[in-house]
Amino acid sequence: DGGITQSPKYLFRKEGQNVTLSCEQNLNHDAMYWYRQDPGQGLRLIYYSQIVNDFQKGDIAEGYSVSREKKESFPLTVTSAQKNPTAFYLCASSLAGGFSNEQFFGPGTRLTVL
Amino acid sequence: DQQVKQNSPSLSVQEGRISILNCDYTNSMFDYFLWYKKYPAEGPTFLISISSIKDKNEDGRFTVFLNKSAKHLSLHIVPSQPGDSAVYFCAANGMDSNYQLIWGAGTKLIIKP
Repeated sequence: DGGITQSPKYLFRKEGQNVTLSCEQNLNHDAMYWYRQDPGQGLRLIYYSQIVNDFQKGDIAEGYSVSREKKESFPLTVTSAQKNPTAFYLCASSLAGGFSNEQFFGPGTRLTVL
Repeated sequence: DQQVKQNSPSLSVQEGRISILNCDYTNSMFDYFLWYKKYPAEGPTFLISISSIKDKNEDGRFTVFLNKSAKHLSLHIVPSQPGDSAVYFCAANGMDSNYQLIWGAGTKLIIKP
């Protein structure tokens, strides 16, 4: 059945290492998003993509990179330049990126930097 | 600068009673408002939405009210059930945000048996 998968669920990384979080959807959605959630805060947009081979920075893109080579996939790389990477990362998708874009979320990946 | 604010970090309600979650916003250009529900260690799930041209939208036990003059919306859950215990996020979008969702910090709802 259709949905969004994120892997892994928990990820540990040593300081200074890059790490890539996977996000796959089989909902045939055009738009995909990456958010970060920190305790007591709302979701903050890292990057979004409204179409294959195109993506835009969100509010907190520094230290992150993405690619959108396939409609189904939108991996997020947390680079060593991200100063405070420990957080809960959520991937989402929607039919289109505009008005009333109801977004569907994956289960999230909790990244901990040791 | 928080454009979407949920000022109550938590709310405790007796099972069977009404739960009222509040959300305030500062941007009068927001066109669309959504409520999401989130359980621990899971992604949020869409609950209900409302367009700025309406003042009420109902779906089963859930009703969202929008007061544009006060820049305020509320989510009513009646009757409240144990499974409603979760964190509720309010989100909004509009032309100013390039139609990307701007999220509140969430309110944790606890339904007491």
